[in-house]
Amino acid sequence: SQQGEEDPQALSIQEGENATMNCSYKTSINNLQWYRQNSGRGLVHLILIRSNEREKHSGRLRVTLDTSKKSSSLLITASRAADTASYFCATDSKNEETSGSRLTFGEGTQLTVNP
Amino acid sequence: ETGVTQTPRHLVMGMTNKKSLKCEQHLGHNAMYWYKQSAKKPLELMFVYNFKEQTENNSVPSRFSPECPNSSHLFLHLHTLQPEDSALYLCASSRDRNYGYTFGSGTRLTVV
Repeated sequence: SQQGEEDPQALSIQEGENATMNCSYKTSINNLQWYRQNSGRGLVHLILIRSNEREKHSGRLRVTLDTSKKSSSLLITASRAADTASYFCATDSKNEETSGSRLTFGEGTQLTVNP
Repeated sequence: ETGVTQTPRHLVMGMTNKKSLKCEQHLGHNAMYWYKQSAKKPLELMFVYNFKEQTENNSVPSRFSPECPNSSHLFLHLHTLQPEDSALYLCASSRDRNYGYTFGSGTRLTVV
């Protein structure tokens, strides 16, 4: 079953505006990560937030995590046309049987920032 | 370049062909992964290798055969594929579960 589900599926904003994307998941997690993908390319890791953290910042990115609601949000402030991409959340679920990581991805949010 | 290199970038193959995808990283990461990305579907985890040992085979058909000869190289051998196997195949590596994955640029596979 799908672990991460992003909302909205598509978002179109003007340059300078803020963009907020949400992610919900189903199982207990070790951490939640956000990735960006430009069309037809590989994914780029943006930020990782651990299950015991509630908020994390990196440049213009702000991520929140609410483990009680099993949800996360990614905020991009002062957006730029170059931020146009697909954004994915991914969860590293707790698994007692293995010490390794295996990320489960959502379907992503397509963000378009208009100049 | 991200540090994870995938070759070839594009591949067109017939259903009776045999081909291999290659992934290489020199980041010192211990884990490597194959993901499949199809249109309008979430990334699907195919295989996981930790310290060269396969630790997960996510119910992948046997026409996909992974190989990890050392911790820096990962292959995906393909044979008798179906048109629905056409997708972007992404390789990734990670240091451990406290760090994010580094992805390659992917191989765009078309099965005709």
